[in-house]
Amino acid sequence: DMKVTQMPRYLIKRMGENVLLECGQDMSHETMYWYRQDPGLGLQLIYISYDVDSNSEGDIPKGYRVSRKKREHFSLILDSAKTNQTSVYFCASSWGCNQAPLFGEGTRLSVL
Amino acid sequence: AQKVTQTQTSISVMEKTTVTMDCVYETQDSSYFLFWYKQTASGEIVFLIRQDSYKKENATVGHYSLNFQKPKSSIGLIITATQIEDSAVYFCAMREGYQNFYFGKGTSLTVIP
Repeated sequence: DMKVTQMPRYLIKRMGENVLLECGQDMSHETMYWYRQDPGLGLQLIYISYDVDSNSEGDIPKGYRVSRKKREHFSLILDSAKTNQTSVYFCASSWGCNQAPLFGEGTRLSVL
Repeated sequence: AQKVTQTQTSISVMEKTTVTMDCVYETQDSSYFLFWYKQTASGEIVFLIRQDSYKKENATVGHYSLNFQKPKSSIGLIITATQIEDSAVYFCAMREGYQNFYFGKGTSLTVIP
């Protein structure tokens, strides 16, 4: 069953704590993405990964870093989280550049 | 500058009618891909339909179809015979080259019984 899985689904952290959001896919998709969604702003691209250890900044990479050591797994890391990083984070994956990305269910992160 | 613009923030229609949602995009590339997604009330983001820029024929999937007007950089989504479950937020998106995947800010559709 083609699926993008995000863990955890909900997370509450205090300002200054480190945050790890995980994303997995079982379709051997080359390309994976991390987006954040805020009310009125739509989906904003944080990072894109073209394959293992081949990552590129999106529109809003500041305050985030990523890791992709296996094709099926893409992590988003917030070192010392800030309150303005409270958001819903979506991971997506696709095969090739002309395929529609398949989205995970999202992770709702609150930074207090 | 916004690469993908959806000017309609929200639309309400009566059930069983047809609705069109607008989207304009900006690109210098000769080859690009356009997509429409739906986000349900639960937050799930679902791919609906796509249009490749080099194809003249408008894409159709089920009761979704596209109105692709390349000279106007416009890709409208048409939903015919709307159902209550079509109530959602609809996003237009564009991929150009091998890089970014740009989304519009979305249009909220309410289908009234």
